[in-house]
Amino acid sequence: LAKTTQPISMDSYEGQEVNITCSHNNIATNDYITWYQQFPSQGPRFIIQGYKTKVTNEVASLFIPADRKSSTLSLPRVSLSDTAVYYCLVGDMSDQAGTALIFGKGTTLSVSS
Amino acid sequence: GAVVSQHPSRVICKSGTSVKIECRSLDFQATTMFWYRQFPKQSLMLMATSNEGSKATYEQGVEKDKFLINHASLTLSTLTVTSAHPEDSSFYICSARDRTSGGYEQYFGPGTRLTVT
Repeated sequence: LAKTTQPISMDSYEGQEVNITCSHNNIATNDYITWYQQFPSQGPRFIIQGYKTKVTNEVASLFIPADRKSSTLSLPRVSLSDTAVYYCLVGDMSDQAGTALIFGKGTTLSVSS
Repeated sequence: GAVVSQHPSRVICKSGTSVKIECRSLDFQATTMFWYRQFPKQSLMLMATSNEGSKATYEQGVEKDKFLINHASLTLSTLTVTSAHPEDSSFYICSARDRTSGGYEQYFGPGTRLTVT
């Protein structure tokens, strides 16, 4: 599975846009990029997933350049409740592969008022 | 979205006893479930992959005789920590993929906090 590298921590203020970039230089053709959010003592929560270009949902956007060697999670107008650990994961999510997601260290986002 | 539940959410047991943790997919069938362990301030570490009707596949360094996994149905997998010791105290999280719908999301349970005294 492709290894990912992301910043250990980031600080932001309420109302700002936060962009967290993840590097995955060895991403394979069948790999998808998935981001999860985790609060203390809770299981990870799915945020967004993409394969290429841009994906947007009600909570975030995911930007993936053409070479797919990196991706950027964009959180618009963060609030205090967005303080959490964010994980970038890369893996083969095709139906044939029952492959587990392997977690890296994640990025701890701290939002202040 | 799909929901994965775990029971119990918290458990305290004495050293030497065994503890069973249940993981259920509530509204979908999960042919594959995964078990993770997370220590304080650390990331999730994959312990094993559980396939319905077959033996689990354990990650290197995880003792299969200590962490017994059973995936007897398409909606239930159990993790039994046998002869638990204080170093087994951790946050255990299960997850499952809803492969029948063709989706690629992996859903996680809320976790179980195990404390061994």
